[in-house]
Amino acid sequence: EPEVTQTPSHQVTQMGQEVILRCVPISNHLYFYWYRQILGQKVEFLVSFYNNEISEKSEIFDDQFSVERPDGSNFTLKIRSTKLEDSAMYFCASSVPLSYEQYFGPGTRLTVT
Amino acid sequence: SQQGEEDPQALSIQEGENATMNCSYKTSINNLQWYRQNSGRGLVHLILIRSNEREKHSGRLRVTLDTSKKSSSLLITASRAADTASYFCAPMDSNYQLIWGAGTKLIIKP
Repeated sequence: EPEVTQTPSHQVTQMGQEVILRCVPISNHLYFYWYRQILGQKVEFLVSFYNNEISEKSEIFDDQFSVERPDGSNFTLKIRSTKLEDSAMYFCASSVPLSYEQYFGPGTRLTVT
Repeated sequence: SQQGEEDPQALSIQEGENATMNCSYKTSINNLQWYRQNSGRGLVHLILIRSNEREKHSGRLRVTLDTSKKSSSLLITASRAADTASYFCAPMDSNYQLIWGAGTKLIIKP
């Protein structure tokens, strides 16, 4: 069964460094999402992406965040200058048109020290 | 806040018993979805119920939706140890955005 994959599974970085989190959505899906979940807290929506542009973004998704679909398969989340409070699990999800079910990847645990 | 709110926050039951989790929300919705998350892992989609539906079944799962009360429930029948996980309700609002609550942590005791 096709699934969303994410790399790396765990990323440790120093404060102020740039990180890129990678996701490979399910191949026929056209809607892509990033969420984050700080340890022990609820899942928070960051951004949705469709047709090579951002369709929605939350207040969390400020100028230090960006998303890109550099090729036909990858979907990336870049954090330009990481802060301690960016430490969280980051989930990528994808869905097909006309379906509301989102399929989530296993997540990338980002630890900022 | 528009988020879904699950109740209870934690639930511990014996294997074989039924588990019921509730969810309330504040906004108007397109549909409501339930997800499961095993500790430290990704979110797995369980079931979606549309706003014009009142009840839906999938295997041992039964979901109800009452849009007049803005509430939903998830029933897991004949629970198993493998059902131990956190369960999240995620209403989808009119902008097709999922609104997440803090989840219910379910523990099934063998």
